[in-house]
Amino acid sequence: AQTVTQSQPEMSVQEAETVTLSCTYDTSESDYYLFWYKQPPSRQMILVIRQEAYKQQNATENRFSVNFQKAAKSFSLKISDSQLGDAAMYFCAYRSPDSNYQLIWGAGTKLIIKP
Amino acid sequence: KAGVTQTPRYLIKTRGQQVTLSCSPISGHRSVSWYQQTPGQGLQFLFEYFSETQRNKGNFPGRFSGRQFSNSRSEMNVSTLELGDSALYLCASSLVPITGYSTDTQYFGPGTRLTVL
Repeated sequence: AQTVTQSQPEMSVQEAETVTLSCTYDTSESDYYLFWYKQPPSRQMILVIRQEAYKQQNATENRFSVNFQKAAKSFSLKISDSQLGDAAMYFCAYRSPDSNYQLIWGAGTKLIIKP
Repeated sequence: KAGVTQTPRYLIKTRGQQVTLSCSPISGHRSVSWYQQTPGQGLQFLFEYFSETQRNKGNFPGRFSGRQFSNSRSEMNVSTLELGDSALYLCASSLVPITGYSTDTQYFGPGTRLTVL
């Protein structure tokens, strides 16, 4: 069965510093999609970044970047220059043919930003 | 462009009742998916609708149903409510179905918080 594991229930970082959130997944597929979503206290799920498995280049979106290690089935999110507004739950999600393209979600990591 | 809207935002029901939740997708989006989020089970896919047809369904009992209208708005219905149905119900829209080979991205609404007493 497809699973997504986020081993860090909670992380904290000092404002302006860099933090990395980890995510691993299990699949037998070679073609799939990976996502990081952010859910602030307002509860609205916001897409942070996405990665197609066939692309070797790691995705970046401004201060957010990923380290995609396909062989290791690892997909970590790096947040640079952390800001107070980055405080939220971060969810890693996976989608592929073997999940019937349904989004499979990790349990989430709560990110705390210390001022 | 307006985002995904969900109504109502909060709902309190008692066991045995039924409830209908509504979702209006982003203008031009034809696919709507529903998710249930609970502290114990996390986020779970309920179903996806595209062009008024259910394309995919998650592992939920038949008490959970949905439909989509010609304007792409979608409703989700839960009958015979149980305490365990208390959750945040999230709706997401996309241009084309995500349960297929698609590079499209889903955009989420703010959710409806359902409490069953």
